[in-house]
Amino acid sequence: GDSVTQMEGPVTLSEEAFLTINCTYTATGYPSLFWYVQYPGEGLQLLLKATKADDKGSNKGFEATYRKETTSFHLEKGSVQVSDSAVYFCALLNSGGYQKVTFGIGTKLQVIP
Amino acid sequence: SQTIHQWPATLVQPVGSPLSLECTVEGTSNPNLYWYRQAAGRGLQLLFYSVGIGQISSEVPQNLSASRPQDRQFILSSKKLLLSDSGFYLCAWSPTRGSNSPLHFGNGTRLTVT
Repeated sequence: GDSVTQMEGPVTLSEEAFLTINCTYTATGYPSLFWYVQYPGEGLQLLLKATKADDKGSNKGFEATYRKETTSFHLEKGSVQVSDSAVYFCALLNSGGYQKVTFGIGTKLQVIP
Repeated sequence: SQTIHQWPATLVQPVGSPLSLECTVEGTSNPNLYWYRQAAGRGLQLLFYSVGIGQISSEVPQNLSASRPQDRQFILSSKKLLLSDSGFYLCAWSPTRGSNSPLHFGNGTRLTVT
């Protein structure tokens, strides 16, 4: 079946540091890939998405490129801020009779001033 | 635009008591609806999904049930709560059409069973 693997963390960075959160997946067919962000006490918000190989999703300074050859969708940001502290979930979507989304375990990011 | 409402935001219930969490979606018709649970320090677990009124599929057997009495209403219930039911419950929706559409989540309900 489909699966998503990402580091659990926590990842602790200083403000303005470079961020990479790795995400690899296993899936049949051609899934769409997503990154969601969850701020403390809140639900999940869609951060960015990519629907086919070599697509780059970007939003709020975050980027991720759909790499089919390495089955990866790593999240990057050039300069993190304290306000980026949250849990980040990588997810894939393989359509069936419903929108079947598989989530990674989530990576907690802590940015310190 | 579409919005999803979930309530209550927090809930503290004793073991053995009933549960009812409600979720409604506005601004769309015939959405796919989902209930997820997020236990402390763990990822998201899909509990139920629904592709239409009265159509409920369960992903894991457990103490909970779900119902969809109206097109845009999804309810999570339990007759008798267990300590292990504590967690963060998230409702989500996605459009029926559009194979690349992501899920959209509500703000969640923090359930503590004491």
